[in-house]
Amino acid sequence: DQQVKQNSPSLSVQEGRISILNCDYTNSMFDYFLWYKKYPAEGPTFLISISSIKDKNEDGRFTVFLNKSAKHLSLHIVPSQPGDSAVYFCAASRSGTYKYIFGTGTRLKVLA
Amino acid sequence: DAMVIQNPRYQVTQFGKPVTLSCSQTLNHNVMYWYQQKSSQAPKLLFHYYDKDFNNEADTPDNFQSRRPNTSFCFLDIRSPGLGDAAMYLCATSRETRGNEQFFGPGTRLTVL
Repeated sequence: DQQVKQNSPSLSVQEGRISILNCDYTNSMFDYFLWYKKYPAEGPTFLISISSIKDKNEDGRFTVFLNKSAKHLSLHIVPSQPGDSAVYFCAASRSGTYKYIFGTGTRLKVLA
Repeated sequence: DAMVIQNPRYQVTQFGKPVTLSCSQTLNHNVMYWYQQKSSQAPKLLFHYYDKDFNNEADTPDNFQSRRPNTSFCFLDIRSPGLGDAAMYLCATSRETRGNEQFFGPGTRLTVL
């Protein structure tokens, strides 16, 4: 049972436009969420996180939105740049554990 | 630069031949993780250490073992690799405080012939 789902395996966006990557989760006990970016032949690198006490967190061009009632989070990248082309994973965790459950990833391609 | 290092980056083994993957970190993090990732799938947690405390996932096969001799090093031992164990193996670390992100190594791609 996949507790964290990224239903779009791939996404193409024109440079300068907004990229929106989505993530859904099923476990209401999750209270901390992270986004990672992964380039080929490298490990995932941390991008941005959000706690369940917030509904938005912003860091430069990256904003994560959390809708707890819908068990949905999204990552917005604006403006998108060709260097943002990578696979993006969302991950979720719950209090009292050090475990993170990952989604299957979305491959973003930003077209120049 | 503080980092997570995995060796080797590519490992080829034969069906049934034991193999060990290694991970080291210079971050001095308490928690270390091993994930298995197959193509187009989510990284799947195999186990993690909080200091020397070992935490095995319920669905991690007995074929997979791990050792953490000290803070810096962690090993993944696959006792009898099967064809289904071919995957990318990712090591990660994090600080003990909850809410800290994980730092990943580049991964070891295991091929089983």
